[in-house]
Amino acid sequence: DVKVTQSSRYLVKRTGEKVFLECVQDMDHENMFWYRQDPGLGLRLIYFSYDVKMKEKGDIPEGYSVSREKKERFSLILESASTNQTSMYLCASRGGAGNTIYFGEGSWLTVV
Amino acid sequence: KNEVEQSPQNLTAQEGEFITINCSYSVGISALHWLQQHPGGGIVSLFMLSSGKKKHGRLIATINIQEKHSSLHITASHPRDSAVYICAGRPADGLTFGKGTHLIIQP
Repeated sequence: DVKVTQSSRYLVKRTGEKVFLECVQDMDHENMFWYRQDPGLGLRLIYFSYDVKMKEKGDIPEGYSVSREKKERFSLILESASTNQTSMYLCASRGGAGNTIYFGEGSWLTVV
Repeated sequence: KNEVEQSPQNLTAQEGEFITINCSYSVGISALHWLQQHPGGGIVSLFMLSSGKKKHGRLIATINIQEKHSSLHITASHPRDSAVYICAGRPADGLTFGKGTHLIIQP
């Protein structure tokens, strides 16, 4: 069974803290994505990566960075968390014969 | 204006009813996804379409490329179908999402 695993389901962090959200997929997919989901705004793309060490900005990259040192792992980094980054973060990967997209379970981040 | 528009935003129906959720898009896409999100956050991909029609159990998805329109149908709806349904267009890398349709099926 295919899997996208996000390391933390619920996090509470303080303003100014550095936050790491980890995502691992076991499908050998090239493409991986980080989205955030907010009420009324839907899902918005933060960053994506189409290969190891490659990254592309999405629609809302400000305040975020990413790391893809290994194919299976795509990390989202908040260098200095702010309250407006309180959100639900979803990781996804895409690939394989059908080019289907698979999502993780989501990480609920609260910045206080 | 969002490039992917869904309607309705909210839908409440009785168990057994036939459900239709619509999606219109203004961008050129290579494929359109229908996704299901249950409370708690996890998203499951239901369909990926580039033409025609697909069926899986009680779910049917159709797409009309010329009209840039897709529909998701649920036959014999059941309370466990209650979820947010999201359509997403794939113009290139990444996806452009609609804002979702919140479906509640009452027993």
